[in-house]
Amino acid sequence: DVKVTQSSRYLVKRTGEKVFLECVQDMDHENMFWYRQDPGLGLRLIYFSYDVKMKEKGDIPEGYSVSREKKERFSLILESASTNQTSMYLCASSATDRSNQPQHFGDGTRLSIL
Amino acid sequence: GEDVEQSLFLSVREGDSSVINCTYTDSSSTYLYWYKQEPGAGLQLLTYIFSNMDMKQDQRLTVLLNKKDKHLSLRIADTQTGDSAIYFCAEKDEKLTFGTGTRLTIIP
Repeated sequence: DVKVTQSSRYLVKRTGEKVFLECVQDMDHENMFWYRQDPGLGLRLIYFSYDVKMKEKGDIPEGYSVSREKKERFSLILESASTNQTSMYLCASSATDRSNQPQHFGDGTRLSIL
Repeated sequence: GEDVEQSLFLSVREGDSSVINCTYTDSSSTYLYWYKQEPGAGLQLLTYIFSNMDMKQDQRLTVLLNKKDKHLSLRIADTQTGDSAIYFCAEKDEKLTFGTGTRLTIIP
C-alpha cells in the first residue's frame, strides 16, 4: 500500500514565523502535491512537483514556497505565516501518468496561526 | 478555469441509499473520481470512472456519468453509520480539480 506521511497532525505557530510542513512518500512516485482544505472551498492546489528539484505553481501559491531535494520528500514552506493561512494542509503523491494513476493522500496537518 | 460543484450536506437514514451529486464544467476530463474523507483523516480514493464510461459498480458503490450534462453521481446502497464522511468528487484533465465536498450524515 502507498504510504504518504505528513510529519505533524497538528501545528500551532505565530504570525510572522517561518513554517515548514514535511511530506514523505514511500512508493517512488514522481509526482507530489500540496493542497489546502477549507470548509466550503474543497481542496485547492498550492504547488506541485513532477520531479526532483522541479516545482510548479498551483492555483493559490501566494505566500508559499516548496522544496523537493529528494524524490520521496516534498516540503511546503510558509515564509512569514499569517492568520489567513490557518487551514488543513494535505499532501498527495502519484505515479507518472501512463493510464490512470490516482493521487494518494496523507492524513493532513491542521495548522493554526495565532 | 475548471469548476466542480457539489451540495454541501446530505442526510440519509441508515439502510437507505445515498446519492451524492456532482457537476463539472471541463469537457476535456479524462477521469472522474470519488474520494472519502473521514474525520481527522486525509482523502481515501473510493472509486473512479473513465470519461467514456456511463456506469461503474463496485460492491455497494455505483457511479453514474452523464457526459452530455457533465453530471456525476455516487450511489451508496444500504448506507451504514461507517459511511458518515465528507465525499469529494474530482475531475482530471491536466490536473485534478476537486469539488467542495458533501458531508454525509447518517440518521439512525
